[in-house]
Amino acid sequence: RKEVEQDPGPFNVPEGATVAFNCTYSNSASQSFFWYRQDCRKEPKLLMSVYSSGNEDGRFTAQLNRASQYISLLIRDSKLSDSATYLCVVNESGGSYIPTFGRGTSLIVHP
Amino acid sequence: NAGVTQTPKFQVLKTGQSMTLQCAQDMNHNSMYWYRQDPGMGLRLIYYSASEGTTDKGEVPNGYNVSRLNKREFSLRLESAAPSQTSVYFCASSERSPGLAGETQYFGPGTRLLVL
Repeated sequence: RKEVEQDPGPFNVPEGATVAFNCTYSNSASQSFFWYRQDCRKEPKLLMSVYSSGNEDGRFTAQLNRASQYISLLIRDSKLSDSATYLCVVNESGGSYIPTFGRGTSLIVHP
Repeated sequence: NAGVTQTPKFQVLKTGQSMTLQCAQDMNHNSMYWYRQDPGMGLRLIYYSASEGTTDKGEVPNGYNVSRLNKREFSLRLESAAPSQTSVYFCASSERSPGLAGETQYFGPGTRLLVL
């Protein structure tokens, strides 16, 4: 099985903190990368795609390092509402496509 | 738009019983997927359908069958349920065919299945 690895956490941080998660992948042919957010007992929802040059969406920044085969998610100025599990997803393009999900990293933001 | 809907939300089965999980999407998406999520295992792909009329196995297809009834609907059938199939099942859809870079998946709310 192609592997996508994440630290399960939990990461326990105070409001306003900056926190970063990494996700490593084993398949060098991987072409597209995403971060999804999953709240407790809910479905996953797309947080952001990860582009080769890195990309930012408000307080969230995603980075891709192809040489070391990992992606990262940085959350600045953490809010209580950021508490969730963050799932890394790695896709190959073309051929026998099977999206591979990491097991998720749990974030708890406390007052 | 309702997005992706799934029925039922909860189900309890006895070992050996059969059931069909229903999934529908109203976004005119080409591709649909079935996943299961177990504690500590993450989401695993059971089957997917790249377009109406086609289905392909994912990572964990054993014990399941699927039907892409039309463009909107993709059902998952358990012919003879086993306790190992106790899980949360998510259906998802995406606009374009799998394998294209940058393809986003939209998930339904899930079905929680307990097999006794």
